[in-house]
Amino acid sequence: SQTIHQWPATLVQPVGSPLSLECTVEGTSNPNLYWYRQAAGRGLQLLFYSVGIGQISSEVPQNLSASRPQDRQFILSSKKLLLSDSGFYLCAWSVGVLLGDRSTGELFFGEGSRLTVL
Amino acid sequence: DAKTTQPTSMDCAEGRAANLPCNHSTISGNEYVYWYRQIHSQGPQYIIHGLKNNETNEMASLIITEDRKSSTLILPHATLRDTAVYYCIVRARVYSGGGADGLTFGKGTHLIIQP
Repeated sequence: SQTIHQWPATLVQPVGSPLSLECTVEGTSNPNLYWYRQAAGRGLQLLFYSVGIGQISSEVPQNLSASRPQDRQFILSSKKLLLSDSGFYLCAWSVGVLLGDRSTGELFFGEGSRLTVL
Repeated sequence: DAKTTQPTSMDCAEGRAANLPCNHSTISGNEYVYWYRQIHSQGPQYIIHGLKNNETNEMASLIITEDRKSSTLILPHATLRDTAVYYCIVRARVYSGGGADGLTFGKGTHLIIQP
């Protein structure tokens, strides 16, 4: 069965420090991968998505970047954190190629990483 | 993706059926209705999806009106663990890759199950 893991689960970082959140997926190949952020009291915002190794698309301009060095690894980074980067970060995956009715088209989310920038 | 409208919050008594409405009047013919829920401090969880027929699984039932402009998610016997934010999303299921792959989550409905 497929699993998704992301870490660390919680992180407290000072303003101006770097960030690296990692996400890995097991049990599937060539997944679509996503990074979402949920600020306090707000909805989920899609930050980045990737359809393959080295292919990253950004949905909104920001202080963050993403990379996909391997098929099932997705990394969210920042060189210098801002206070506004605080939030709950979620990694997700979906089936890379829809196979008719065999795919539900759903997203599978990780446990989330809570980042507090002080 | 078509826009959806949901009530901000709802209460339901434990053991009763919870009926969560969603309006999607601009839905197009190739768009599906998806429901997810997010329990506090966890990632969203897929519940159910449908195109035009009513659907049922072990978690819930989805009732879609004939004109497809609205739908209702039904949790038949709500428990305290069903307290969560429920998101109704419409999206075309077939895509060629890219931004359309990512689901757009609105603010959802905060369902509170009362003991």
